[in-house]
Amino acid sequence: SAVISQKPSRDICQRGTSLTIQCQVDSQVTMMFWYRQQPGQSLTLIATANQGSEATYESGFVIDKFPISRPNLTFSTLTVSNMSPEDSSIYLCSFVGGFYEQYFGPGTRLTVT
Amino acid sequence: QKEVEQDPGPLSVPEGAIVSLNCTYSNSAFQYFMWYRQYSRKGPELLMYTYSSGNKEDGRFTAQVDKSSKYISLFIRDSQPSDSATYLCATAAVNTGFQKLVFGTGTRLLVSP
Repeated sequence: SAVISQKPSRDICQRGTSLTIQCQVDSQVTMMFWYRQQPGQSLTLIATANQGSEATYESGFVIDKFPISRPNLTFSTLTVSNMSPEDSSIYLCSFVGGFYEQYFGPGTRLTVT
Repeated sequence: QKEVEQDPGPLSVPEGAIVSLNCTYSNSAFQYFMWYRQYSRKGPELLMYTYSSGNKEDGRFTAQVDKSSKYISLFIRDSQPSDSATYLCATAAVNTGFQKLVFGTGTRLLVSP
């Protein structure tokens, strides 16, 4: 399967600032996804990112807080805006393979102080 | 009520034991089932996926789905210390194109030598 990477792997940020997380896949994929994994909680889908169209956000997530870009078929970014300590989490991107299976990146561990 | 319920553990077993990991789900629309393994500070790694009721085997791993009782299981035979990780079940519904994964919270497994 394709290799998926994320940058940064971790960061510590001050409240009120923004962080952009990059996700790179080594082959072209149609669908990419962004998830959040909070301590002790399930992975939760934030949004679906298709190339050339606006991202589709799940209930509870809004574009102003989590703007997403998908400039081509191998790359996507998620920005966590105006951060608060409640945004401290692991953020993961994924893509869909040939049989609907999803493959995840290594994650970005974000701590907001 | 969560859509997917999973005992968080930890589940501690000796090396060589047979491990049974389980999830229940509430939505009959869920038709696609996956198991992921997540090592500490890593992204989830897809172990197995299945669409149908019954068993699917891959090496030491067997995934079992019982749609009538909305119960999914992962069995690990001859468990090894390297199997120590958090195991996540996930499911998806056909009306989302099997793309919106709903996860359990994960079960932490500890295999002692």
